[in-house]
Amino acid sequence: ILNVEQSPQSLHVQEGDSTNFTCSFPSSNFYALHWYRWETAKSPEALFVMTLNGDEKKKGRISATLNTKEGYSYLYIKGSQPEDSATYLCARPNAGNNRKLIWGLGTSLAVNP
Amino acid sequence: DTEVTQTPKHLVMGMTNKKSLKCEQHMGHRAMYWYKQKAKKPPELMFVYSYEKLSINESVPSRFSPECPNSSLLNLHLHALQPEDSALYLCASSQDFGLAGAFVSSYNEQFFGPGTRLTVL
Repeated sequence: ILNVEQSPQSLHVQEGDSTNFTCSFPSSNFYALHWYRWETAKSPEALFVMTLNGDEKKKGRISATLNTKEGYSYLYIKGSQPEDSATYLCARPNAGNNRKLIWGLGTSLAVNP
Repeated sequence: DTEVTQTPKHLVMGMTNKKSLKCEQHMGHRAMYWYKQKAKKPPELMFVYSYEKLSINESVPSRFSPECPNSSLLNLHLHALQPEDSALYLCASSQDFGLAGAFVSSYNEQFFGPGTRLTVL
């Protein structure tokens, strides 16, 4: 994997469903993996920055895991609510200059009431 | 204060106009970023400043001119833009550790402003 890839591209779930999506990235030269949530008409908001293989982070109903050896991270949302509707982006720092983030195209989540 | 502010929220300009976008943060962050975002795509990095010095220029056309007058402010000066430059321009900031700490800087989340919606006629 040369770039950051996210799947699925979009997801529609019912309120109360739990869901998860994937971020895949090159496993070499790994520094960190960022997750952001971007709601329509708002600013992107950082959810997690993950650095260690096996890391698991949690914020309310949202959690994320990291596997740096195989190059993937999962984002889980438990009991989805309409306010979780957003685009979820992951990004990894560029190997050449770590201040530049290489972004995935995002997973667009729509939670129906 | 964990907010990044941007002005104006909306800007309409002609191709011969000169305008500026402004960004401000008071979190003590020493890295500041300009991104361009077009519909349905992730943010596209334009410039990064670290300790008020330009760290990254992603081969952005010279009609975009960034300026970082102090550690809290970031400007983007616009001149002779094209209609294809119409987009959402986002500013962001993060903690930074300078030249010796670029590696560690990658651990820091970026805080984004609400953006300026730019339309070039």
